[in-house]
Amino acid sequence: AQKITQTQPGMFVQEKEAVTLDCTYDTSDPSYGLFWYKQPSSGEMIFLIYQGSYDQQNATEGRYSLNFQKARKSANLVISASQLGDSAMYFCAMREGGSNYQLIWGAGTKLIIKP
Amino acid sequence: KAGVTQTPRYLIKTRGQQVTLSCSPISGHRSVSWYQQTPGQGLQFLFEYFSETQRNKGNFPGRFSGRQFSNSRSEMNVSTLELGDSALYLCASQLSVLSYEQYFGPGTRLTVT
Repeated sequence: AQKITQTQPGMFVQEKEAVTLDCTYDTSDPSYGLFWYKQPSSGEMIFLIYQGSYDQQNATEGRYSLNFQKARKSANLVISASQLGDSAMYFCAMREGGSNYQLIWGAGTKLIIKP
Repeated sequence: KAGVTQTPRYLIKTRGQQVTLSCSPISGHRSVSWYQQTPGQGLQFLFEYFSETQRNKGNFPGRFSGRQFSNSRSEMNVSTLELGDSALYLCASQLSVLSYEQYFGPGTRLTVT
């Protein structure tokens, strides 16, 4: 079963608009972490934001915020005031607790910002 | 502080050959993870090393192996290359196994012909 699901293969958004990238996850581990990464065409993965399963508040990092809805197992990324440089692939990932620290990745969403 | 570096950036190999990829983590980082990224399978975890010990291994055949040196630099080796091994191989480092933030290198793009 898919542990991380990103249902939007691609999105077009007008510059300066806000954009929400969807991510749902599946785990029975009460301790886990959720990540969002950005991958420009150059290939390098850029860490954007992290949310721990026990964090009480939604994570924010500059223009990025994570809309964490634990009961729905949803961890959507919100980018406010989008910029042309935001065009990239965006990946949601999860790391479960315990001794296994590997990241489990979603399929990604290709975001294109239109001028 | 210098980021994660990976060498070489691009590589073309023939089926049946072997290849070694190198990753130098951020100074002070002791944990290194490797991932394979392909259009068909997406991102998949290969293995993780901490203090020269392999802590976790993904679901890959034994042709894929790795190691970590005392200076935390890591190498991964793929023997008897297959066409399906063509991928972007990403290395990530983190300060320790408990830190959540992984910093990725630019990747090595391997093409097997």
